[in-house]
Amino acid sequence: LAKTTQPISMDSYEGQEVNITCSHNNIATNDYITWYQQFPSQGPRFIIQGYKTKVTNEVASLFIPADRKSSTLSLPRVSLSDTAVYYCLVVNFNKFYFGSGTKLNVKP
Amino acid sequence: NAGVTQTPKFRVLKTGQSMTLLCAQDMNHEYMYWYRQDPGMGLRLIHYSVGEGTTAKGEVPDGYNVSRLKKQNFLLGLESAAPSQTSVYFCASERGDSGYYEQYFGPGTRLTVT
Repeated sequence: LAKTTQPISMDSYEGQEVNITCSHNNIATNDYITWYQQFPSQGPRFIIQGYKTKVTNEVASLFIPADRKSSTLSLPRVSLSDTAVYYCLVVNFNKFYFGSGTKLNVKP
Repeated sequence: NAGVTQTPKFRVLKTGQSMTLLCAQDMNHEYMYWYRQDPGMGLRLIHYSVGEGTTAKGEVPDGYNVSRLKKQNFLLGLESAAPSQTSVYFCASERGDSGYYEQYFGPGTRLTVT
């Protein structure tokens, strides 16, 4: 099971682009990478999933280099409401691991 | 379409008491999960199910039991509550399709054991 390493916390300002990088050196061939967002007193919410290269949806982009040993979640033009904990997971069927996540603090 | 619901939202137990947490999903998902989250920590998997009638242990299963008699429901039981089980409990469901790993979470149950 590939565990992940993320920064404990990050600060940003409204309107900036935020990039959160996750390390997963032991990722296996069939593993995918997913990211979740969690607000206080709520369950996590799925943001994005990727296997390789770049994936983009309406809220974020996910960049995965060719060796897949890391990934970067990109949040464009963050607002105060993006203050939350962001979790990177390596998943394969029912095998996954929620680490401690990255606490993103967006300042006005 | 309510998604994933959890009952109850809050509960206070005395040490040694028992209780059952109910999770229900209306998305016809195959996989269901129970997690616990302690203050300032990430989620830890307690038990999970990959289909009706199946259950399996996760990372921290001791002190808990589960059952999945119906596809839409996943029950988490505490037979003899301990203060160390004070936590927020989240249930989640997932389609179970290969290559698609989006989990849908419930709102959580805040349990305090005194």
